[in-house]
Amino acid sequence: EVQLLESGGGLVQPGGSLRLSCAASGFTFSSYAINWVRQAPGKGLEWVSAISVSGGSTYYADAVQGRFTISRDNSKNTLYLQMTSLRADDTAVYYCAKALFTMVRGGAPMDVWGQGTTVTVSS
Amino acid sequence: DIQMTQSPSSLSVSVGDRVTITCRASQGISNYLAWYQQKPGKVPKLLIYAASTLQSGVPSRFSGSGSGTDFTLTISSLQLEDVATYYCKRYNSGPTFGQGTRLEIK
Repeated sequence: EVQLLESGGGLVQPGGSLRLSCAASGFTFSSYAINWVRQAPGKGLEWVSAISVSGGSTYYADAVQGRFTISRDNSKNTLYLQMTSLRADDTAVYYCAKALFTMVRGGAPMDVWGQGTTVTVSS
Repeated sequence: DIQMTQSPSSLSVSVGDRVTITCRASQGISNYLAWYQQKPGKVPKLLIYAASTLQSGVPSRFSGSGSGTDFTLTISSLQLEDVATYYCKRYNSGPTFGQGTRLEIK
């Protein structure tokens, strides 16, 4: 079964850091771009970041550019999101999502989603 | 940045109704448009990509159309299990989601 499983969420103070992980199984992880998408409580979906199959190309939403870093370890079938300088408006459920096919400048449909991990930024 | 605007924001419909949701891009995006369904408390699900291509396993009552700046998602005959929020998303570059359209049953 194709599966993505996020972990690493939690409560963090404003200005703090957190690293999210996304473990993939059931497909050839190294063949697909992967995204992070978040959803604030009661709000819509917001794309956060994407990474190419090799990790050589990364893309970020303006809201997180310079604060978040996406990376992947294809030997471990795992995606990461390092989040720093966290703010209250980063509070959200963070999903990892697999690209259906090759990205166009960071964009592609997302056909497999994890269950999400919750990040709460609060003092 | 290219903005995506959906209408309506919410819709109250009856089972069996034909439902149409529109999505407008602030600039042309060719057919780089996907639709997602998110049921309450659930993970988003890809319905349609390339504006009109049905994702594998999605019921044929769902269809998409459009190109350039104007797109539509149509549910030909609404079923109870279709109650959800629907999002369009452009993917010609860094993806942008629409604000969502919430469907509820009358």
